[in-house]
Amino acid sequence: ETGVTQTPRHLVMGMTNKKSLKCEQHLGHNAMYWYKQSAKKPLELMFVYNFKEQTENNSVPSRFSPECPNSSHLFLHLHTLQPEDSALYLCASSQSWTSTDTQYFGPGTRLTVL
Amino acid sequence: GNSVTQMEGPVTLSEEAFLTINCTYTATGYPSLFWYVQYPGEGLQLLLKATKADDKGSNKGFEATYRKETTSFHLEKGSVQVSDSAVYFCALSESIGGGATNKLIFGTGTLLAVQP
Repeated sequence: ETGVTQTPRHLVMGMTNKKSLKCEQHLGHNAMYWYKQSAKKPLELMFVYNFKEQTENNSVPSRFSPECPNSSHLFLHLHTLQPEDSALYLCASSQSWTSTDTQYFGPGTRLTVL
Repeated sequence: GNSVTQMEGPVTLSEEAFLTINCTYTATGYPSLFWYVQYPGEGLQLLLKATKADDKGSNKGFEATYRKETTSFHLEKGSVQVSDSAVYFCALSESIGGGATNKLIFGTGTLLAVQP
């Protein structure tokens, strides 16, 4: 059982569509993360939020736009994506931002861009 | 920069065989080390972790020891089961943004297939 939920679990979109991914954590954590998992590549950190403030943008293209309205919710807004953006997008949360803290992951959203 | 290298898969074993998945890292400072497991169609689950040298993490029969002298964190299990079939990721945690946050750096993952 995971304390991090993600919706939708699967998403197919065209390159001109606008869609959003949602993540919610029920663990009382203060830090939230977006990762991208592509085939045959290591997981890549995209964004980090601490106490609703963005503290890291790992050179992510502007067609990905994160939003963190509160410490429990994290969104990833998508627009004019490319087929190479097809991947599994994972959300994670941790109690704080220290390196000893465990990050807890959601089940992911499988995104396919046509 | 920091990095994690883990053995290529897939690793195919018979049930009750001994498992080792090698993981080595490159890091400045003293990162925390993690093993995550990903079952088919699911997200990552923490398997075990170690936060300082010589610490041993253990869970569900899996073990890994933080070896600073060899910069390694190899995953072992004495007797694998079919239900252990999954992808295993080694990762280290590093501070970024002047310590304002931390990020996980992952290896490429090792697919384990256990046959009855």
